[in-house]
Amino acid sequence: GENVEQHPSTLSVQEGDSAVIKCTYSDSASNYFPWYKQELGKRPQLIIDIRSNVGEKKDQRIAVTLNKTAKHFSLHITETQPEDSAVYFCAASSNDYKLSFGAGTTVTVRA
Amino acid sequence: DARVTQTPRDKVTEMGQEVTMRCQPILGHNTVFWYRQTMMQGLELLAYFRNRAPLDDSGMPKDRFSAEMPDATLATLKIQPSEPRDSAVYFCASGTGTARKAFFGQGTRLTVV
Repeated sequence: GENVEQHPSTLSVQEGDSAVIKCTYSDSASNYFPWYKQELGKRPQLIIDIRSNVGEKKDQRIAVTLNKTAKHFSLHITETQPEDSAVYFCAASSNDYKLSFGAGTTVTVRA
Repeated sequence: DARVTQTPRDKVTEMGQEVTMRCQPILGHNTVFWYRQTMMQGLELLAYFRNRAPLDDSGMPKDRFSAEMPDATLATLKIQPSEPRDSAVYFCASGTGTARKAFFGQGTRLTVV
């Protein structure tokens, strides 16, 4: 089955700086890669996703890149703000629709 | 704003009791996932359904857990008998096959004492 590894497990950044979270996946058949943000006590919320036919996708301060050859994808948050503090999860899925998650990254934005 | 609805939000039960968690997927979604979240294990996939048919329940302890979709508007996860190690937050998520986006419910926080 799919194995998704996520790094780092914790990340502390100064407000206004950028944050980068990296994930690798094992199944070359995976073709859909979403990212979720989970605030304390809340549900995971989809913030951005990318499909395997695209190398990069951007939505305001958030961007995701995908390297299919190396089987890794990354989340980039620019101009971080205190409200970006949360746990971020990457995930991978193939045509079987099974969604496998990484272990999560706790991001803390220091004011 | 369509959302996945889970009940109950919180459940405290004694060891050995049966627990049933319910999920109403977003109308029109044909894929339903059950995840368990703990600090140690993160988000573990327990089972998922497509068009109400179970596709994979390999993540679920079969001797005590069962998952069903009696109809397209209801998914259930049952634990019988419950054990303290089952204490966790259980999330249901639903999605469509085409868009692939999955949306989570608020979760059920289960505490087994």
